[in-house]
Amino acid sequence: QVHLQESGPGLVKPSETLSLKCSVSGGSVSSSNWWSWVRQSPSKGLEWIGEIYHSGTTKDNPSLRSRLTISVDKSENHFSLKLTSVTAADTAVYYCARGGILTWFDIWGRGTLVTVSS
Amino acid sequence: EIVLTQSPATLSLSPGERATLSCRASQSVRNFLAWYQQRPGQAPRLLIFDTSNRATGIPARYSGSGSGTDFTLTITSLEPEDFAVYYCQQRSAWPLTFGGGTKVEIK
Repeated sequence: QVHLQESGPGLVKPSETLSLKCSVSGGSVSSSNWWSWVRQSPSKGLEWIGEIYHSGTTKDNPSLRSRLTISVDKSENHFSLKLTSVTAADTAVYYCARGGILTWFDIWGRGTLVTVSS
Repeated sequence: EIVLTQSPATLSLSPGERATLSCRASQSVRNFLAWYQQRPGQAPRLLIFDTSNRATGIPARYSGSGSGTDFTLTITSLEPEDFAVYYCQQRSAWPLTFGGGTKVEIK
């Protein structure tokens, strides 16, 4: 059974970079799946951030595109998120999930709360 | 961007009652619509995919219907564990989007 686990700092200062990792266990990030990041905040609800395939092909939300990088590390079996120039509006619970444009979000991590504050 | 509008925002019902939740898309999503359940402190869980197919392990009291722009999630007889928030989501086009959610609460 595939499990996903998010990790990273829970507190990020405004204007800095938010970095999260999603570790994949019980399966391979190199399998024929897309892997996504989704965040949830009271103000915006559930918001898809972007997705990546093991080839490195990505697709992202235009609202975040200029600040976003999603990458995959096949040797370490994880994928990552970097969001630059964060503001309080980026405060949310961040989830990683298996799925994207081609398949539904059938497996989710437990989520990690990231707060943007000085 | 395809906007998904869910109604009602809150549904107050008693155990054993029938719940009917609606999701309307701003343009056709064909049948590429799913429903998720989220309990407090948990990640969303896939319930229904491709409009009407139950995900693995989902009880038969959950059913989905619709096409194009109008979709419905029905829970035929509410169990205590069904009181939660439900979201619809489309993968017909990028960016993938979610509805604002319907909270099913105990009356």
